[in-house]
Amino acid sequence: DQQVKQNSPSLSVQEGRISILNCDYTNSMFDYFLWYKKYPAEGPTFLISISSIKDKNEDGRFTVFLNKSAKHLSLHIVPSQPGDSAVYFCAASFYNQGGKLIFGQGTELSVKP
Amino acid sequence: GAVVSQHPSWVICKSGTSVKIECRSLDFQATTMFWYRQFPKQSLMLMATSNEGSKATYEQGVEKDKFLINHASLTLSTLTVTSAHPEDSSFYICSASPVTDTQYFGPGTRLTVL
Repeated sequence: DQQVKQNSPSLSVQEGRISILNCDYTNSMFDYFLWYKKYPAEGPTFLISISSIKDKNEDGRFTVFLNKSAKHLSLHIVPSQPGDSAVYFCAASFYNQGGKLIFGQGTELSVKP
Repeated sequence: GAVVSQHPSWVICKSGTSVKIECRSLDFQATTMFWYRQFPKQSLMLMATSNEGSKATYEQGVEKDKFLINHASLTLSTLTVTSAHPEDSSFYICSASPVTDTQYFGPGTRLTVL
């Protein structure tokens, strides 16, 4: 049972444009969501997070939006840069489970010059 | 800061042998460490959660006798894949957590079982 889903395995965007990566979840008890960036044969690196009490969090070029009623979150990258090309994972956690993360399947972003 | 290392970065072993993977937090103490496995083009799947000084908590479907986890100190956790088989070939990633809701990931270990 995939509790966190990223339905787009890949996304291609032109440099300078906006990249929008989507993530859906099924468990309404999740209360913390994170986005990670991963290069092949490396561990994920943290990008940005959002608590369930918020609907938006912004950090530089990265903004995460949370729509609790739709159980949907998205990561916006603007402007996109070729160095952003990587696999992006969304993850969700329950506060009372000691930080255990449930990951989506990942979306491979390719930003073309 | 917040660096997590894994050793080895890759290992090839024969079927039936055991392999130990180390995960270290280099510049912080980690009360909790997590072990994940990732198959090609798939998600990171949590295998187990380990807290220093106590037994690991395994996710459903993960054999605790096959994947032995030891978290002997606040900076070191080890995962031993016992009697490895080709289907255990995967990318194993650890993460270390100094506080709840913060995890720092290691670079991963590529295990290939022949």
